[in-house]
Amino acid sequence: SAVISQKPSRDICQRGTSLTIQCQVDSQVTMMFWYRQQPGQSLTLIATANQGSEATYESGFVIDKFPISRPNLTFSTLTVSNMSPEDSSIYLCSVEGQNTEAFFGQGTRLTVV
Amino acid sequence: AQTVTQSQPEMSVQEAETVTLSCTYDTSESDYYLFWYKQPPSRQMILVIRQEAYKQQNATENRFSVNFQKAAKSFSLKISDSQLGDAAMYFCAYRTDLNDMRFGAGTRLTVKP
Repeated sequence: SAVISQKPSRDICQRGTSLTIQCQVDSQVTMMFWYRQQPGQSLTLIATANQGSEATYESGFVIDKFPISRPNLTFSTLTVSNMSPEDSSIYLCSVEGQNTEAFFGQGTRLTVV
Repeated sequence: AQTVTQSQPEMSVQEAETVTLSCTYDTSESDYYLFWYKQPPSRQMILVIRQEAYKQQNATENRFSVNFQKAAKSFSLKISDSQLGDAAMYFCAYRTDLNDMRFGAGTRLTVKP
């Protein structure tokens, strides 16, 4: 299994500002995934981040709003830019295990006021 | 497109009793993987059980077992001897080797003492 450390665990931000979420894995992984979970909802994939290349974004998510970095095989960041109250969600990073299962960080609860 | 459907937004069970959570999915693939994840109030997504589509035998993990009906595209989770700590959101998920993981809308399970 993989151990994933995600920071911050929660934050309250002013609208118009940006927040960067960090995700650190205890082993090298090829792909890292970023999900959004809106209140009371399921998980929606934002993007897939491979080391050394640009992230691949899902429909409805754009790089200008959610820039992602992947500087090495154990670390990634997701930035939520120019935030509005609609961005209030839980953001989770995830990696794939050896048996195709997904391991998750503990999530970042973001509230935009 | 692959979709995962959980038709029970909420379920309730008495402590020590058995409860079954339903999940159906839609796919044209023959090889894929199915999962049940648990998300307690801590937000941490925890893998409960995993099933490979090519295996006819239903997966079991202690008090958790699945009823996998490939032809019917059904993947239900049975929790036996329910405990208070089982209270959480439960998400059914699907993926193939090539695709990312897709989640159902979730079922909120309440365990009554």
